[in-house]
Amino acid sequence: AQKVTQAQTEISVVEKEDVTLDCVYETRDTTYYLFWYKQPPSGELVFLIRRNSFDEQNEISGRYSWNFQKSTSSFNFTITASQVVDSAVYFCALRMDSSYKLIFGSGTRLLVRP
Amino acid sequence: KAGVTQTPRYLIKTRGQQVTLSCSPISGHRSVSWYQQTPGQGLQFLFEYFSETQRNKGNFPGRFSGRQFSNSRSEMNVSTLELGDSALYLCASSLAAGTTEAFFGQGTRLTVV
Repeated sequence: AQKVTQAQTEISVVEKEDVTLDCVYETRDTTYYLFWYKQPPSGELVFLIRRNSFDEQNEISGRYSWNFQKSTSSFNFTITASQVVDSAVYFCALRMDSSYKLIFGSGTRLLVRP
Repeated sequence: KAGVTQTPRYLIKTRGQQVTLSCSPISGHRSVSWYQQTPGQGLQFLFEYFSETQRNKGNFPGRFSGRQFSNSRSEMNVSTLELGDSALYLCASSLAAGTTEAFFGQGTRLTVV
C-alpha cells in the first residue's frame, strides 16, 4: 500500500529563517511522482513542485528547494529566507504512474512570525 | 486561463438532506478528481473521472456519488447527509495521469447541522 508521512505537525519560525519540511513515502511501485502543495487559509491547494521517481536531481527554484532521496524514501522541501506570506499548511503527496489519485500526508502547518 | 471553479463556496444543510456540488475544470483538462478534507481524517480521495467515466473510487459509502459531463464539468452528490459529512470538498483537474500536476479549486465548505 502507498502512504505518505509528514511527522512535523506544526513548525514556527521567525521571518528570514530557513525551514525544511519533511516527507517520507511508502510505495512498491518503481514509477511514481511526488508533489508539494501549499494550502493558505483560503482553502485552495496550490501546486509548488513535482519530482519523478526516476529523476533524483535536486533543484532550486527561487526560495524553494527540494531534496529527493530514493534510498531513504524521503522528499523534503526547504524554504529559504522565509516570509510571513509563507505561513500555510504544506502537504506532500504521492501519485502512481497512470493514476490521477493523489495520496496526501497529514500536512505541516508553518507559521512564519515577523 | 481560468482556474478550477467550484460552486457553491459555502453550504449549510440539515442531516438527512442531500447535496450536489459542482466543479468546472481548467479548459482542456478531461480529468476531475474529488477529495474530502476534515480535521480528523485529512485529505481523502473520493473518486476520479476521465472522459465521463469513473476510473477510481475511494473508500467512501455509496451515499457519495459523482458524475462527469461531456464538457468535463463534474458534480458530486451526497445523499442522506450525516454530521460527519461536514468537510471541505476539493475538486482537482488534471491534463493527464501520473506526472502532471493537479490543479485545485477553492473548495466547497459543507456544514451539516
